[in-house]
Amino acid sequence: GAGVSQTPSNKVTEKGKYVELRCDPISGHTALYWYRQSLGQGPEFLIYFQGTGAADDSGLPNDRFFAVRPEGSVSTLKIQRTERGDSAVYLCASSSHDRGEQFFGPGTRLTVL
Amino acid sequence: SQQGEEDPQALSIQEGENATMNCSYKTSINNLQWYRQNSGRGLVHLILIRSNEREKHSGRLRVTLDTSKKSSSLLITASRAADTASYFCALNRDDKIIFGKGTRLHILP
Repeated sequence: GAGVSQTPSNKVTEKGKYVELRCDPISGHTALYWYRQSLGQGPEFLIYFQGTGAADDSGLPNDRFFAVRPEGSVSTLKIQRTERGDSAVYLCASSSHDRGEQFFGPGTRLTVL
Repeated sequence: SQQGEEDPQALSIQEGENATMNCSYKTSINNLQWYRQNSGRGLVHLILIRSNEREKHSGRLRVTLDTSKKSSSLLITASRAADTASYFCALNRDDKIIFGKGTRLHILP
């Protein structure tokens, strides 16, 4: 594809439920990042993958959050036992190397009721 | 804090004027990047300046970096209505890229 895609674009769930958010990076990009953005704030770093491995997951807020990238391409961000405070736009970005320009997807807007 | 701090938080200028936004930080960096985010849309990369560079240009954009003062500025010349957006500086340190809270720029007709 031409750019980073994220699905779903919107997700509404109930408190306590489990959700999965998907990111398809630009083909060939080895670096993949997850962020979340609340209204009026900048993107907050969550996790960074280089290939299949999580190079830095220090931004994940707690153990309810987990992300995988099993084949070094598509990544899934998983949130267990969702809380209302998890409501935000979750952004994914990919890069051809770990310190360069990032290309962002349109985001998934998560609403936890 | 590892993130950059943009200044001002909000800026309104007349179309045609120049807009200047600043970013200050406290840690060492590999590079600094500026991004734009239009309302309701994803972020778009504008420019990357490396720690050994002092100034960079791209079209109507000019970015400076002063590593001794740990600060960067983004200048947009001859502003247009389409420049209305939020602008973020992003610090690249080790493997992380950390975003600031942004400057909301509004171009008045």
